[in-house]
Amino acid sequence: ETGVTQTPRHLVMGMTNKKSLKCEQHLGHNAMYWYKQSAKKPLELMFVYNFKEQTENNSVPSRFSPECPNSSHLFLHLHTLQPEDSALYLCASSHAPGQEVNYGYTFGSGTRLTVV
Amino acid sequence: DQQVKQNSPSLSVQEGRISILNCDYTNSMFDYFLWYKKYPAEGPTFLISISSIKDKNEDGRFTVFLNKSAKHLSLHIVPSQPGDSAVYFCAASARGAQKLVFGQGTRLTINP
Repeated sequence: ETGVTQTPRHLVMGMTNKKSLKCEQHLGHNAMYWYKQSAKKPLELMFVYNFKEQTENNSVPSRFSPECPNSSHLFLHLHTLQPEDSALYLCASSHAPGQEVNYGYTFGSGTRLTVV
Repeated sequence: DQQVKQNSPSLSVQEGRISILNCDYTNSMFDYFLWYKKYPAEGPTFLISISSIKDKNEDGRFTVFLNKSAKHLSLHIVPSQPGDSAVYFCAASARGAQKLVFGQGTRLTINP
């Protein structure tokens, strides 16, 4: 158990479906992140939340909609996705800037998403 | 523009020998570097890090070397063990910046 829990672990969805990915951490972190990992590509940062506020959107299409109701939970709502959105979606958390020295993230195990 | 590059997608090493994974970066503002290890179906886990004020950091079998003038870092694993077989990601951050920038990873396979 890494301290960051992601559900579901696997998800297959059609292009017209709506689904949500969930991330939960109990590490006392106040920053949470969504990353996308596609085959043979670097991890791509999607969104950053600090103290529940979105501080970065890395030009992510609007079919991905994040939600951060509190510092421990992060969601990624998905709708009308494309097959090329199939990837491993990783959630991470860390201490927020100014809270203390921010040395790295703790990652969840990811959700393997397949869009058919 | 990929700021952190791992040019070797894969590496195969004999058990007991040294594994050397390389990483290059382009952003001179980066001052903190990390290596993450990832097994299939798991998220990346932190392995070792180094600050730009150092040129070497050692933790057991793992040593990271930083060459700031060349904008290059490397991870040495010695002796390599079968359990070290995984994908290794290099990451970097700039002073005052929150964001980690990752390389594309190197798949290390340790052969018995």
